[in-house]
Amino acid sequence: EAQVTQNPRYLITVTGKKLTVTCSQNMNHEYMSWYRQDPGLGLRQIYYSMNVEVTDKGDVPEGYKVSRKEKRNFPLILESPSPNQTSLYFCASGLAGYTDTQYFGPGTRLTVL
Amino acid sequence: KNEVEQSPQNLTAQEGEFITINCSYSVGISALHWLQQHPGGGIVSLFMLSSGKKKHGRLIATINIQEKHSSLHITASHPRDSAVYICAVRFGQFYFGTGTSLTVIP
Repeated sequence: EAQVTQNPRYLITVTGKKLTVTCSQNMNHEYMSWYRQDPGLGLRQIYYSMNVEVTDKGDVPEGYKVSRKEKRNFPLILESPSPNQTSLYFCASGLAGYTDTQYFGPGTRLTVL
Repeated sequence: KNEVEQSPQNLTAQEGEFITINCSYSVGISALHWLQQHPGGGIVSLFMLSSGKKKHGRLIATINIQEKHSSLHITASHPRDSAVYICAVRFGQFYFGTGTSLTVIP
């Protein structure tokens, strides 16, 4: 089944404790992206990757890191999480063209205490 | 600065009504996407438009590139259409509207 998977789905952590949210897709997509969704602000792009070893900042990259060492995986790293990073996070993937559909993962709800 | 504006923010309709959600954007784009997010959070892509009009079942999406405006129409609305509808444009990165929360009452 074609899908984008994210792990964990729910995470409660404390300020400053490094964490990684994994994202994996099985559709051989070049494009992968991370978003956060907050009430009243909607979805905002954190980072995206057009292909292996190519990453670019989105709207809100501060406090986040990403890497794209393999085509199927695009982990999101929070080196020192803070409470303002409490949010619902989505990973998505798609073909590289600007007119291609994105496929979203199920979301990861992160709470930073 | 908000590159994408959606209206209305909230919408309640009776089953069977015709619904329109509007999206205006300020950047030059290659494509506009309409997304649907159901309670419980999952997001699915409904349409990708670069010009004209597309139809899937009871959903119709239109775009006017010159006016930088798109509309999503739902004909013969049904309670299962209750969801948040999100407009997104891609100009390098993606920019999103804040969504329209639709409730269809039986």
